[in-house]
Amino acid sequence: DGGITQSPKYLFRKEGQNVTLSCEQNLNHDAMYWYRQDPGQGLRLIYYSQIVNDFQKGDIAEGYSVSREKKESFPLTVTSAQKNPTAFYLCASSSSSGWGETQYFGPGTRLLVL
Amino acid sequence: QQQVKQSPQSLIVQKGGISIINCAYENTAFDYFPWYQQFPGKGPALLIAIRPDVSEKKEGRFTISFNKSAKQFSLHIMDSQPGDSATYFCAAGSGNTGKLIFGQGTTLQVKP
Repeated sequence: DGGITQSPKYLFRKEGQNVTLSCEQNLNHDAMYWYRQDPGQGLRLIYYSQIVNDFQKGDIAEGYSVSREKKESFPLTVTSAQKNPTAFYLCASSSSSGWGETQYFGPGTRLLVL
Repeated sequence: QQQVKQSPQSLIVQKGGISIINCAYENTAFDYFPWYQQFPGKGPALLIAIRPDVSEKKEGRFTISFNKSAKQFSLHIMDSQPGDSATYFCAAGSGNTGKLIFGQGTTLQVKP
């Protein structure tokens, strides 16, 4: 059953704590993306990776970090430097980063601050 | 210049009616315009997409109209059904980075 999985579905963060959101895909896609979704603001790109061991900052990378050590995995860490982390986080992948490639999204992780 | 502006923010349509959502962009380098559909608590899914060399693309009840000179594009949902009730996002992309700029989203409610 191919697709993108994100875990956990809900995540709670305490003040000053780093938390890591998991994203795994078994679609053999080269490109992976992380978006943040806030009400009324659409999806904003945090980081993206076109190939293993390489990634680039998106529009709102401050307070976040990523790694891409394996093709199928692209974890996102929300650091304590991110002062307003409450949001719905979406991971996506595409077969390549070429023109017009469809991005397939995971089910998302909702992060809440305690 | 990187923004994509989407309107309306919310839309209520009767069953069988036509739903119309509009988007506008500034960056003429954009050359790929997809629409995504998102149900509550789920990730978005591609609905339909268009290239700037065509003015219209139709897939079933969903049609994209594209006006290159006005830098606008719109989604028309014909014979709207309650199952179409969702949030719709337009987006724009260019080049080979795969990066998409999303509009703010439109929440559509189709009343039975």
